[in-house]
Amino acid sequence: NAGVTQTPKFQVLKTGQSMTLQCAQDMNHEYMSWYRQDPGMGLRLIHYSVGAGITDQGEVPNGYNVSRSTTEDFPLRLLSAAPSQTSVYFCASSPTPGHSEKLFFGSGTQLSVL
Amino acid sequence: GNSVTQMEGPVTLSEEAFLTINCTYTATGYPSLFWYVQYPGEGLQLLLKATKADDKGSNKGFEATYRKETTSFHLEKGSVQVSDSAVYFCALSDPNDYKLSFGAGTTVTVRA
Repeated sequence: NAGVTQTPKFQVLKTGQSMTLQCAQDMNHEYMSWYRQDPGMGLRLIHYSVGAGITDQGEVPNGYNVSRSTTEDFPLRLLSAAPSQTSVYFCASSPTPGHSEKLFFGSGTQLSVL
Repeated sequence: GNSVTQMEGPVTLSEEAFLTINCTYTATGYPSLFWYVQYPGEGLQLLLKATKADDKGSNKGFEATYRKETTSFHLEKGSVQVSDSAVYFCALSDPNDYKLSFGAGTTVTVRA
């Protein structure tokens, strides 16, 4: 079982470039979310989704877009990358919203914006 | 709002030493509390949890007790191993929504 799969693992962008971080889960989870991890700040919620067609903003949504056209996929889009978006990004999913103890994390995407 | 404060690292220990990582929280209501562990190159994994006051979570030799009176959830292990080298995150979940609030993480390195 793959669990939560994130691609790519590493990415370097120039300021102003756009890209999409991919996240897919094969557990039929309703809830999916994106976090960013920065030194000394723990993980902060960017966007989340409670089901296909439903997305909402987390703590730090500015500069990021998401969509949820299928249950399996939850891509994160950077429309115009900025150095402040240099971070490690984690996708996570759980069977239903509120089941924090059943939250599965992907292995992360390390993004550098120059 | 909800917040989690955990001791800053890095922490470096010798094998078989005692480990404590302090965690305190601020929350409205009665949150659930968690410790997550992140091994090098991997995503976070749930280590243990406690859902109400005086509950003790335990797993892999680690323990933490939900102390409502001191709003704390300190992580302890009596005898660490090299394989316990990781980043440890304290987190809370508000029962009124489904969002986790994380502490900043504590990097632990265990030397043989």
